[in-house]
This record gives sequence, structure tokens and C-alpha cells, in this order.
Amino acid sequence: QITLKESGPALVKPTQTLTLTCTFSGFSLSTAGVGVGWIRQPPGKALEWLALIYGDGDRRYSPSLRSRLTITRDTSKNQVVLTMTNMDPVDTATYYCAHRITDRSFDSWGQGTLVTVSS
Amino acid sequence: DIQMTQSPSTLSASVGDRVTITCRASQSVRSWLAWYQQKPGQAPSLLIYEASSLESGVPSRFSGSGSGTEFTLTINSLQPDDFATYYCQQYNSFPRTFGQGTKVEIK
Repeated sequence: QITLKESGPALVKPTQTLTLTCTFSGFSLSTAGVGVGWIRQPPGKALEWLALIYGDGDRRYSPSLRSRLTITRDTSKNQVVLTMTNMDPVDTATYYCAHRITDRSFDSWGQGTLVTVSS
Repeated sequence: DIQMTQSPSTLSASVGDRVTITCRASQSVRSWLAWYQQKPGQAPSLLIYEASSLESGVPSRFSGSGSGTEFTLTINSLQPDDFATYYCQQYNSFPRTFGQGTKVEIK
């Protein structure tokens, strides 16, 4: 059974850097075809894809946020970390991590974590 | 970026109705299209992948069709548990993109 759980601060100040951790179980991020992605959803709005890291270490980012995002993995801890710099109130959203498998996109999601950006 | 446009944005229906949601891509995504269901306060869950393949555990009243730029999600005999928001997502190319969502409401 695949599970994922996001953790990180609920509140960050404008201009600060957000660090979110996705801790997962039930799969190995070293397996070919497997990946972990981050997706966010502002309150009452649609889903927005942010970044994806594959089992081979390849990383992909949203072009509109590329300069602010970094995704890394720690296969020994079964964790994926997303950092987003220069946070702004418009970045207030629920942030989800999700398991990605070849052909099926995001088939398992974490519960999400709400991040509010406010001074 | 590939733009994904869903219609309608909101749909009012009754239990037992057949419901169809359309998703159009600004360029071909072949069959790399997924549908998700999201209920209030919950994470999205995968319903359909590769345009028409039913995810394990998803009721057979859900079906998907299409390829290229036009896709549909159909719910046969709408059940109370199906009132939710539905999103399409292309995974043919980066950046991955989602539709704006279709909210299925009780009529």
C-alpha cells in the first residue's frame, strides 16, 4: 500500500523560503518509472503542477516557477523535499505530493498541507 | 504549455443521471490524459488514466474516452457519492497541466 504525507510550516512570511517534506512508504524512488511530484491548490481554485523527480534523479519544474523551486530526494529516508524561495501571499495554497508511475500519472496522493503566506 | 479546458465549469444533475464532462487540449496529448475526482477537504483521487483505463477500485459507472485533443469523462447513473469536482490532466509533455475543474452539484 502506497502512502505519502506532506509536512512543513503552516505559516510563512513573505520573502521567506518554504521547505516541504514528503515522506512516503510502499514504493522505492529508486525504481524505474517511479516518481514523486508536487502539486498545489490555492483555496477554491484549480490544481497546479509544480515539480517532479524521477527514480533516476531527473527533475522537472513548472517553467513559471522554475527559478524559485528545487526538488530533491533522499532515497534512504524515503523522502522528497520541495523548497520554494521568495514566498508571496499568492503562494497560499494546499500543497500535495503524489506518487507517479509510468502510464498512470499521479495514482496516489498525500493528504495535503495548507501553507499560508502572511506577515 | 498545453492548455486544458474543461466544460462545463459547473454541472447540476440528479441521482441516476448520465453525466458527461469534456476536456479539450490546446494541442495533441495523444492518450496521456488522466481524470481525477476531488471531494471537499480531500486530496484528488485518480479515476481514469491513459484516457480510457479505469483505475483499480473505481466503479465501472465511470468511463473515459477520446484521444488527441478531445476527451470525455462519463458517469453513468450518478450516485450521491459522485457529487464532487473533476479535473483532467495531461501528462504527454512538461509542464504537466490540469483543467480548471468541473463541479458536479446536486440539482
